[in-house]
Amino acid sequence: EVQLVESGGGLIQPGGSLRLSCAASGFTVSSNYMSWVRQAPGKGLEWVSVIYSGGSTYYADSVKGRFTISRDNSKNTLYLQMNSLRAEDTAVYYCARDKDTAMHSWGQGTLVTVSS
Amino acid sequence: QSALTQPASVSGSPGQSITISCTGTSSDVGSYNLVSWYQQHPGKAPKLMIYEVSKRPSGVSNRFSGSKSGNTASLTISGLQAEDEADYYCCSYAGSSSHVVFGGGTKLTVL
Repeated sequence: EVQLVESGGGLIQPGGSLRLSCAASGFTVSSNYMSWVRQAPGKGLEWVSVIYSGGSTYYADSVKGRFTISRDNSKNTLYLQMNSLRAEDTAVYYCARDKDTAMHSWGQGTLVTVSS
Repeated sequence: QSALTQPASVSGSPGQSITISCTGTSSDVGSYNLVSWYQQHPGKAPKLMIYEVSKRPSGVSNRFSGSKSGNTASLTISGLQAEDEADYYCCSYAGSSSHVVFGGGTKLTVL
């Protein structure tokens, strides 16, 4: 059974950094495209970043230069390093198994709150 | 990258059919058969309902169907049931650098 479990969210001050983790089971992270998608409170879904099986990475303009997606093959885990956080980054962050740009499996999400 | 355009809300009675539209551009919906649809109940993670315009993942009811014409994709739900009440989001591939773009979401109310 495919399972994705995010962790690492919390309350952080503006300008701070946070690293989100997404532990996968039932499939191999490195053999799949993996995406991060976020949802601000009461708002819609916003794609954040993707890492392809070959290692290429892409980012939404809103986070480019501040966020970094990566994976640890030995731990079968996906990460999102978030730096220079802003109030507008406040959201639930989901990791998803991305197959041909469709998010077939999702984690339960982790809440990131950026506030002083 | 601009979000895809969806109606804010739609409604229907049990047993009826409804259609949710998703309008993009020739750079996303119009160029690729890579449109997907997601259902999200309050406080829950999204669930994939349709991928590659009209394909259903295993376990998704055949009451859900998808189509596309030009720059507009559509999700149709037939035989509406109370449990279909949720938010629905469309999503389209938009080229390698943008990867995907989501619609703003549509709230479905089952009357």
